[in-house]
Amino acid sequence: GQNIDQPTEMTATEGAIVQINCTYQTSGFNGLFWYQQHAGEAPTFLSYNVLDGLEEKGRFSSFLSRSKGYSYLLLKELQMKDSASYLCAVRGGRGGSYIPTFGRGTSLIVHP
Amino acid sequence: DTEVTQTPKHLVMGMTNKKSLKCEQHMGHRAMYWYKQKAKKPPELMFVYSYEKLSINESVPSRFSPECPNSSLLNLHLHALQPEDSALYLCASSQERGEGRTDTQYFGPGTRLTVL
Repeated sequence: GQNIDQPTEMTATEGAIVQINCTYQTSGFNGLFWYQQHAGEAPTFLSYNVLDGLEEKGRFSSFLSRSKGYSYLLLKELQMKDSASYLCAVRGGRGGSYIPTFGRGTSLIVHP
Repeated sequence: DTEVTQTPKHLVMGMTNKKSLKCEQHMGHRAMYWYKQKAKKPPELMFVYSYEKLSINESVPSRFSPECPNSSLLNLHLHALQPEDSALYLCASSQERGEGRTDTQYFGPGTRLTVL
């Protein structure tokens, strides 16, 4: 099976930078996704990492270290609308299944 | 176009009712998924269809019955549900097996289901 761990909740100030960590244990690792989900809405895709390193996309960046089973999502210049749940999802196990397993999500609260 | 649509947005049903949830995508994706999500919990995989064939059933009770009439449509038929089945039901689609971004799942807005 897969074991995915991320903090339950984080708070940050508008305009600041926040880093949301995700650690995982899986066999046959085949990619890690970050999704953003506002309350009552569908998850929306943010980023995908399969090789070690940093992927940057505007205000959001995602980092992966496969040897450490570790990823983080970095959000810069925080805005109030960034208040949401951030889901880390890992693809692997089941012989390299293409279906990701979701972590419990990190609820980010951005305050003025 | 990365849109997955779901209907209805909200559904209230009694334990003896029969209802259906519908999902549609026109991205040419050949894998479609049903997830169940309770408040403050991650999405839980229920079913996966690959090329219109059921490939994964995560031990879901038979009161949930999926159907994939064609490559663009996915239904979830509901019968004799329990109050604990109340949740957000999410549909997603993705390209069938592959590397890189082609396998990203795109989610619909969900159906908020309440069972009385």
